[in-house]
Amino acid sequence: KAGVTQTPRYLIKTRGQQVTLSCSPISGHRSVSWYQQTPGQGLQFLFEYFSETQRNKGNFPGRFSGRQFSNSRSEMNVSTLELGDSALYLCASSRSVGGTTEAFFGQGTRLTVV
Amino acid sequence: SQQGEEDPQALSIQEGENATMNCSYKTSINNLQWYRQNSGRGLVHLILIRSNEREKHSGRLRVTLDTSKKSSSLLITASRAADTASYFCATASNTGNQFYFGTGTSLTVIP
Repeated sequence: KAGVTQTPRYLIKTRGQQVTLSCSPISGHRSVSWYQQTPGQGLQFLFEYFSETQRNKGNFPGRFSGRQFSNSRSEMNVSTLELGDSALYLCASSRSVGGTTEAFFGQGTRLTVV
Repeated sequence: SQQGEEDPQALSIQEGENATMNCSYKTSINNLQWYRQNSGRGLVHLILIRSNEREKHSGRLRVTLDTSKKSSSLLITASRAADTASYFCATASNTGNQFYFGTGTSLTVIP
């Protein structure tokens, strides 16, 4: 069974540009969440999508947005990039069974803003 | 913030020794999960323990949960150099669709 796939693995962008990251969840998983990981802030929740709808959103500015497609694949977009957006962006795929949600993560996309 | 905390922040042991790391959280939970992260890579799911469980084993891993103290511990027995990584605990929101991560324990196993 394939795991969570994130593309690309590495990105270098310039301040002011925008970027789109992609995540393909585990087959059968309808929930996709995005997290930002930085040395200073640790793992921070960005947002979660389920059946193409955003169900939950973390405390990030509107420059961070996402969407989910009918096949559960998700994209995350960051506009007007800032140096502080440099981070490892992790996508998690999850499914709830019997009231328990187990999340599985991809390898992440390392974004560097210069 | 509902972010938990791991203790210690860093741990260095000799290969073959046991490693214990602790996690404290702030709210009531449905379950708690432990993850491993090798340097700059994704999170690998290790084990899930439900709120009605007190202890769970998986291979060389042993997890305990004390909901009255809002704490959990992860024990890695007979450590190997390949266990060198950061370890995180995570709790889920009531809806189960948002996870709160601890600050992580950086484990170094010296061959």
